[in-house]
Amino acid sequence: EVHLVESGGGLVQPGGSLRLSCAASGFTFSDHYMDWVRQAPGKGLEWVGRIRNKANNYTTQYAASVKGKFSISRDDSKNSLYLQMNSLKTEDTAVYYCARETYSGSYFVDYWGQGTLVTVSS
Amino acid sequence: SYELTQPPSVSVSPGQTARITCSGDALPKKYAYWYQQKSGQAPVLVIYEDNKRPSGIPERLSGSSSGTMATLTISGAQVEDEADYYCYSIDSSGNYWVFGGGTKLTVL
Repeated sequence: EVHLVESGGGLVQPGGSLRLSCAASGFTFSDHYMDWVRQAPGKGLEWVGRIRNKANNYTTQYAASVKGKFSISRDDSKNSLYLQMNSLKTEDTAVYYCARETYSGSYFVDYWGQGTLVTVSS
Repeated sequence: SYELTQPPSVSVSPGQTARITCSGDALPKKYAYWYQQKSGQAPVLVIYEDNKRPSGIPERLSGSSSGTMATLTISGAQVEDEADYYCYSIDSSGNYWVFGGGTKLTVL
């Protein structure tokens, strides 16, 4: 069974940094592209970015709203995904979900973690 | 930037058919995907590649796409189908994924 568990959320001051982690199990982590998606309180889903697998050179893509501020990385030896968030603003307050992509003629997110809450406030 | 547009809310009585639309300029060439999110829970994939249903998803949920609009149809909607539904697709460059704004389905 696919299992994704996020950690590292919490309260951070504006301008601060935070690193989220996602522990994956139940599948061959190294084969899959992985994504981060966030959801501000009471709002909709927002794609944050993705990291491809080793076969695709671990290339990354980011939403315009976080490009240059956030960085996605992975450690296949630890079955872990990371999101480094810098220069945080109050509008970055959200639940951050780790998500797995699968391939079935196209790439898409098929499993999600339960999310970790990041609150940016003074 | 690319946008997918959904109606904010749809309301039906139990047993009726609910249709949730998603419009986007790239949809004629890009697949649409649909996620269901119940209150306080993580999203769940219910439709992929316009009209395919993952295992475990009830047959009353179906998807279609024509031109710039994708549609999620819930035939014989049940109270347990009450949730927020999000469409999801990629822009024409193939580099940026986008979610629609979400549609709150009420069944009562």
